[in-house]
Amino acid sequence: EVQLVESGGGLVQPGGSLRLSCAASGFTFSNHAMSWVRQAPGRGLEWVSAIGGGGTATYYADSVKGRFTISRDNSKNTLYLQMSSLRAEDMAVYYCARSLIGWGLFDYWGQGTLVTVSS
Amino acid sequence: EIVLTQSPATLSLSPGERATLSCRASQSVSSYLAWYQQKPGQAPRLLIYDASNRATGIPARFSGSGSGTDFTLTISNLEPEDFAVYYCQQRNNWPLTFGGGTKVEI
Repeated sequence: EVQLVESGGGLVQPGGSLRLSCAASGFTFSNHAMSWVRQAPGRGLEWVSAIGGGGTATYYADSVKGRFTISRDNSKNTLYLQMSSLRAEDMAVYYCARSLIGWGLFDYWGQGTLVTVSS
Repeated sequence: EIVLTQSPATLSLSPGERATLSCRASQSVSSYLAWYQQKPGQAPRLLIYDASNRATGIPARFSGSGSGTDFTLTISNLEPEDFAVYYCQQRNNWPLTFGGGTKVEI
């Protein structure tokens, strides 16, 4: 059974940093591109970042470029999102999602982890 | 950036009725459009990919059509569990983008 379990969310002050993790199981992790998708309270879905199976190719939304870094450790079956210079508008539930085919077709999602940015 | 516009924002229907949801792209996304369903407090679930292919385990009452810039998700014979928010998403161009969602309510 495919499982994605996010962790690392919490309360952080504006300008602060946080690292999210997503532990994957039930599939060959290195065979799939992965993404982070976020959802602000009461709002729609926003794609944040993607990384290829090998970990070298990465893509970012303009809203987070230069502040967030996506990475993965295929030996640990874990996806990461390092977030810095956090802003109020980054407050959201962050989901990790697996790509079924190539990039950006999300067939499995984690349960999400809430990031709250507030002083 | 490709903007996806979903309409209507809210669709009020009864069980047994047909729902027709629209997603229009600001430029062609070929057939690289997916539909997701999201219920309160849950992660999204993939329904349709590449415009018209049902994902694994998705009932046949869900169907998708379209190509280029205009797409439709049809839910025939609405079941009580189908009342949710539906999002379209394109993967033809970076950045990946989602539509704003259509809420299907009773």
